[in-house]
Amino acid sequence: KNEVEQSPQNLTAQEGEFITINCSYSVGISALHWLQQHPGGGIVSLFMLSSGKKKHGRLIATINIQEKHSSLHITASHPRDSAVYICAVRPTNFGNEKLTFGTGTRLTIIP
Amino acid sequence: ETGVTQSPTHLIKTRGQQVTLRCSSQSGHNTVSWYQQALGQGPQFIFQYYREEENGRGNFPPRFSGLQFPNYSSELNVNALELDDSALYLCASTRPGTGGNEQYFGPGTRLTVT
Repeated sequence: KNEVEQSPQNLTAQEGEFITINCSYSVGISALHWLQQHPGGGIVSLFMLSSGKKKHGRLIATINIQEKHSSLHITASHPRDSAVYICAVRPTNFGNEKLTFGTGTRLTIIP
Repeated sequence: ETGVTQSPTHLIKTRGQQVTLRCSSQSGHNTVSWYQQALGQGPQFIFQYYREEENGRGNFPPRFSGLQFPNYSSELNVNALELDDSALYLCASTRPGTGGNEQYFGPGTRLTVT
């Protein structure tokens, strides 16, 4: 079982829909990252969370440390949101900055 | 724009050859991590360097090695390339004073081994 699990693996939605991507992890963490990866590979960091909720534009990320679960929400989705969204955690049992990644959720927004 | 650059963008090598991938971080980012991302998978941690010393390693054989230089650049070297080494290689640097949580990713180098 992977330490970081994401669901769904693939998600196709119509433009304007509200999107939710989920991440569950099985280890103690000091931080959780939501990352966006476009075709071609470059990764952009969207959020870093250690508790609560963060909002940036149409993106909202929440984390529940007790339940070891985080969600990424996209409001008023747009075709340019199409990308792979990756959840990554920083385990507390490592003394360095190692991140453990989920396998990603491929989001496709249809105009 | 993360301020982290990688070179080359793409590379094709033959099995058994050696390759060097390069990463240039922002000034002051004294921690760099390297990750391997196979097609359709999430990135896997290779190793990390802090102040030019290796500071953690994932499940990769010794033929994967690295260097970090005082000018915040770093290298990933892979010897005796195997077909399974074909992947996207990402570097990420960390800005000090942030609790280690702000990571900046480069665009990656796509390596194909034939």
